[in-house]
Amino acid sequence: DAGVIQSPRHEVTEMGQEVTLRCKPISGHNSLFWYRQTMMRGLELLIYFNNNVPIDDSGMPEDRFSAKMPNASFSTLKIQPSEPRDSAVYFCASSPTGRGSYNEQFFGPGTRLTVL
Amino acid sequence: AQSVTQPDIHITVSEGASLELRCNYSYGATPYLFWYVQSPGQGLQLLLKYFSGDTLVQGIKGFEAEFKRSQSSFNLRKPSVHWSDAAEYFCAVGAESNYQLIWGAGTKLIIKP
Repeated sequence: DAGVIQSPRHEVTEMGQEVTLRCKPISGHNSLFWYRQTMMRGLELLIYFNNNVPIDDSGMPEDRFSAKMPNASFSTLKIQPSEPRDSAVYFCASSPTGRGSYNEQFFGPGTRLTVL
Repeated sequence: AQSVTQPDIHITVSEGASLELRCNYSYGATPYLFWYVQSPGQGLQLLLKYFSGDTLVQGIKGFEAEFKRSQSSFNLRKPSVHWSDAAEYFCAVGAESNYQLIWGAGTKLIIKP
């Protein structure tokens, strides 16, 4: 299995631009997580999907952030408009069952976002 | 409140020396405990996990961890570190009733040659 795939690996954009991050979870996994990692705040859960349905988006920092999962093999995280404080590494993780916390979360390599 | 504490931000050890990384948790339910490793520029990889049973669990890369309920701890150990173990290590706790993992802040391991 190829593991969790994220694209792009690096994104540099200017403030105000729209940014779209992409994730392909491991086939057969039905839980998907988007995380943000920064030096100041560590690893933060942004949103959790189960069977393509958003279950908990309480970690999404504000309305500029949105996430979708149109099917079991694809998810996007969009930031519009982007701001310099959004600069971080964004990780996607998938897990094989609905209650993911007691199963291993498999992480993608991350997207390093820099907003100038 | 639910929390995970990794009291050491950085730890420096010599190659070949033993290692112990500390993790303490506060969790209302029976915890499921995890250690993940993050190499520079990479995602997080699971080292080991504890759900129940034997409180000493073995993981990949020669790591082990011991669950001590009385101390609310789940410390990670390795008898002899290698330069390739230089990375950041994260402890996390979850529960059967909750999909979400509570993450520690991480401990950065530096290996001296």
